Amino acid sequence: DAGITQSPRHKVTETGTPVTLRCHQTENHRYMYWYRQDPGHGLRLIHYSYGVKDTDKGEVSDGYSVSRSKTEDFLLTLESATSSQTSVYFCATAAGESEAFFGQGTRLTVV
Amino acid sequence: EDKVVQSPLSLVVHEGDTVTLNCSYEVTNFRSLLWYKQEKKAPTFLFMLTSSGIEKKSGRLSSILDKKELFSILNITATQTGDSAVYLCAVTPTSGTYKYIFGTGTRLKVLA
Repeated sequence: DAGITQSPRHKVTETGTPVTLRCHQTENHRYMYWYRQDPGHGLRLIHYSYGVKDTDKGEVSDGYSVSRSKTEDFLLTLESATSSQTSVYFCATAAGESEAFFGQGTRLTVV
Repeated sequence: EDKVVQSPLSLVVHEGDTVTLNCSYEVTNFRSLLWYKQEKKAPTFLFMLTSSGIEKKSGRLSSILDKKELFSILNITATQTGDSAVYLCAVTPTSGTYKYIFGTGTRLKVLA
């Protein structure tokens, strides 16, 4: 299995507070992705990265920002958390032209 | 807009049954289609298909792609309770950066 670690695994935060989720990989994969998973919606792409400092928006990027300063790390930040951002967040990585590998997920609850 | 539609949304069968899960897609410049299995944690990779009409097989699971009709099926024969999971389909377009567009998934429950 690809070495992908997400932290934290669980978080409860209050509305309006900033939150940062971290994804760390040991596979030297070029591509990294953040998805959210909600009932009835499957996996929806938030942001992705195709190299250090190279990122782009996915289909549900509003309210989220990302940064990738090193190949290994991809951070997802909720600038001001809202209840609609309560979800399970998955990080994934890929070498390209192949399958993506997923982290174990972060369950975020915004109260 | 690129889109992946899976059907049925959910399915309940008994052990030993055969099931067929469907995935249809609309994507600009198709590159590949992937199937994943998700139990109560991270999705795990099953198959990647790029060529039409060539079956991929792993044990009781098999999948085939029809690029003309823009769909794929995932077959599971002799189902077991351990096959209970959400099955996700994703496509990757050639346009833009390499990314995966997922469907909503099919929730399969296999009863003993």
